[in-house]
Amino acid sequence: EPEVTQTPSHQVTQMGQEVILRCVPISNHLYFYWYRQILGQKVEFLVSFYNNEISEKSEIFDDQFSVERPDGSNFTLKIRSTKLEDSAMYFCASSLDSSTDTQYFGPGTRLTVL
Amino acid sequence: AQSVSQHNHHVILSEAASLELGCNYSYGGTVNLFWYVQYPGQHLQLLLKYFSGDPLVKGIKGFEAEFIKSKFSFNLRKPSVQWSDTAEYFCAVNENQAGTALIFGKGTTLSVSS
Repeated sequence: EPEVTQTPSHQVTQMGQEVILRCVPISNHLYFYWYRQILGQKVEFLVSFYNNEISEKSEIFDDQFSVERPDGSNFTLKIRSTKLEDSAMYFCASSLDSSTDTQYFGPGTRLTVL
Repeated sequence: AQSVSQHNHHVILSEAASLELGCNYSYGGTVNLFWYVQYPGQHLQLLLKYFSGDPLVKGIKGFEAEFIKSKFSFNLRKPSVQWSDTAEYFCAVNENQAGTALIFGKGTTLSVSS
């Protein structure tokens, strides 16, 4: 069964550094998403992406964040200048294109900002 | 704004006991409802979803959920749990429109003792 994959599984960075989290969505999916889960808190939506542009974003997704689909397979989340509070598990997800389609999640990248 | 409430933070059951996990949401429009499960060390997986039709939906591994529109509820049930059901369970909702954000509840940790 096709899966969403994410790399790396764990990223440790210093405060103020840039990080790029990578995802390979399921190949025929058209919508891509990033979510995050701070330890002990709920999974929170960050952004959705469709047809090479952001279709929806939350208030968490400020100017420090950006997303890109640099080629036909990868979907990336960049955090320009990491803060301690960015430490979280970041999940990528993808779905087909109808309103009832399931979002399939990747295994997550644990980001630790020191 | 949409929100999802899961009333049980941690549920502890013995094998063969029946399970019901509560989920309520607040949103005035048409929604899709989901239960996701996260087994230890694994990624979020879809258990079941409701988008229209029969309000009683059946999912994988013997789970079912009932959508009660008047109560804005989507409770998850299983008649007889197994040790392998030990996991974290998340209720989620999104608008019935392609590519919209999933809004998650805080999750319920289920521990099943053998």
